Amino acid sequence: QVQLVESGGDLVKPGGSLRLSCAASGFTFSDHYMSWIRQAPGKGLEWISKISPTGSYRGYADSVQGRFTISRDNAKNSLYLQMDSLSAEDTALYYCAREIYYRLDVWGQGATVTVSS
Amino acid sequence: QSALTQPASVSGSPGQSITISCTGTSSDVGSSDYVSWYRHNPGKAPQLIIFNVSDRPSGVSIRFSGSRSGNTASLTISGLQAEDEADYYCSSSVTAGHVVFGGGTKLTVL
Repeated sequence: QVQLVESGGDLVKPGGSLRLSCAASGFTFSDHYMSWIRQAPGKGLEWISKISPTGSYRGYADSVQGRFTISRDNAKNSLYLQMDSLSAEDTALYYCAREIYYRLDVWGQGATVTVSS
Repeated sequence: QSALTQPASVSGSPGQSITISCTGTSSDVGSSDYVSWYRHNPGKAPQLIIFNVSDRPSGVSIRFSGSRSGNTASLTISGLQAEDEADYYCSSSVTAGHVVFGGGTKLTVL
């Protein structure tokens, strides 16, 4: 079945880096835009980044622009989020999602990122 | 890009209808064909329940409907059931291909 599974969540110190992965299965990954969305504790959903099927387009929310980098490997059916210069404000549950014309129709279960000293 | 505005909470009794509003601007909700709604139960993946303002994905109950008037989109749930208790989020496309979410609304079934 169509599935997304995030991994790579961890506890990291302020200023540190982390890379999240999202493994896709059950659909033609290379045909789809993909997005990352996060939810900080007690807060709502926040869209943070998206990438086109070929990787030629990458968009970022202002809150992560210049610190986070989205990428994908279509041969491995995988999506990535490289997160640098992390701060406590980046502590959140990070979801990957498949996007079709701005609607996020398939979501993973999320990966937890905690930024704390 | 500022988050879309949703009420923090709404409530209703079983069998009633409730409506959740999502207010943006003429640059997002007011002009976008791509307004969506999601249901989110804590600890679970969010679920798409409305897309393109008023379309329902296959498998989503007809009790869920979406509409828009001006810069405000609305989600209506009719025949409220206990299982509808969850957090609900709207989203809209914005410039440069980005997406913006609403702040979320907690639905309580009394």
